[in-house]
Amino acid sequence: DAGVIQSPRHEVTEMGQEVTLRCKPISGHNSLFWYRQTMMRGLELLIYFNNNVPIDDSGMPEDRFSAKMPNASFSTLKIQPSEPRDSAVYFCASSLTGGYSYGYTFGSGTRLTVV
Amino acid sequence: QKEVEQNSGPLSVPEGAIASLNCTYSDRGSQSFFWYRQYSGKSPELIMFIYSNGDKEDGRFTAQLNKASQYVSLLIRDSQPSDSATYLCAVGNSGYALNFGKGTSLLVTP
Repeated sequence: DAGVIQSPRHEVTEMGQEVTLRCKPISGHNSLFWYRQTMMRGLELLIYFNNNVPIDDSGMPEDRFSAKMPNASFSTLKIQPSEPRDSAVYFCASSLTGGYSYGYTFGSGTRLTVV
Repeated sequence: QKEVEQNSGPLSVPEGAIASLNCTYSDRGSQSFFWYRQYSGKSPELIMFIYSNGDKEDGRFTAQLNKASQYVSLLIRDSQPSDSATYLCAVGNSGYALNFGKGTSLLVTP
């Protein structure tokens, strides 16, 4: 298996622009997670899907952030409009059974810089 | 707010020594406990998990769990320079996403 695949690896955008991050989970995994990592705040959960259904989106900072999982093999995280404080590394992770039993597998991450 | 606390470090140990990394958590209902290793510029990688009180050994790594004290630790024996990384503690509960600590930076000096 190729693991969790994220794209793009790096994204530099101007403030106010729309940014879309993409994730392909490991085939057969039924849970998908979006996390954001910064030096100050560490890994923060943004949203958690189980069987393509959002279960917990309480970590989504505000209405500028949205996430979708139209099928079991694809998810997007969109920021519109982007702001400099959104600069971070965004990780997608997938797991079986919600991850609390066996943990997650993380993708390589997308490093987002908003200037 | 469910907290997972780790000393940020850096923890510096000489090559060949035992590195001891610690983590405390606030949610008494927590059921599963994980240690991830993250090299600079890379994604977190799962190295150990433990569910029951006591010790669990895997090669040079030992995870220790004390639910009464809400404490989990990771011991790395015969530390190598390649073990230099940030170690993230994560805590799980059924129906919820894992809750991560901010990590402890480990530096193993030759």
